[in-house]
Amino acid sequence: DAKTTQPNSMESNEEEPVHLPCNHSTISGTDYIHWYRQLPSQGPEYVIHGLTSNVNNRMASLAIAEDRKSSTLILHRATLRDAAVYYCIRDFGNEKLTFGTGTRLTIIP
Amino acid sequence: KAGVTQTPRYLIKTRGQQVTLSCSPISGHRSVSWYQQTPGQGLQFLFEYFSETQRNKGNFPGRFSGRQFSNSRSEMNVSTLELGDSALYLCASSPGGARDTQYFGPGTRLTVL
Repeated sequence: DAKTTQPNSMESNEEEPVHLPCNHSTISGTDYIHWYRQLPSQGPEYVIHGLTSNVNNRMASLAIAEDRKSSTLILHRATLRDAAVYYCIRDFGNEKLTFGTGTRLTIIP
Repeated sequence: KAGVTQTPRYLIKTRGQQVTLSCSPISGHRSVSWYQQTPGQGLQFLFEYFSETQRNKGNFPGRFSGRQFSNSRSEMNVSTLELGDSALYLCASSPGGARDTQYFGPGTRLTVL
């Protein structure tokens, strides 16, 4: 199964850290994990990706479990502008992104 | 660099008509992918073009087609429009290598009446 499993929705308070989980129990050794997010009325935008080790960039951090069956996207300090649908995607390396339903993140002021 | 641009942004058509949507990728990107987004089915991959050749194809009927020009600009065409074709059509570009980040445009909102 190519899809990943994410909670349908999550809420977080503004300026608090947010941990968005993703399950990809059937992942193979060469599949990357990508995260994209889609803000209201916009196209998806890239957030972060990784293979085995944890990754950090200016937007977020990605923590990948040692067995690679799950990962967590971490927004260190959520702002209202982070309210979006977050997609966790397995990248098979074939230029084709298979989106699931994602997690709708609501930020509470 | 300028981002991915899509034209038109909004379009209204009637059943049975055909429509052509355009996508201009980021300068230097050679791969263009198209996705359809609907409330019921979410984001679904249509096809991907690389150097004017279709490299990947999703599970859509033959009414959906596309092409890519030598400057990497791409068009997608939907013939014999159906009500269910109402959707947001998104275009994404990337340099073209495996696992490259895809950069999405704002989409074209198509409404079929």
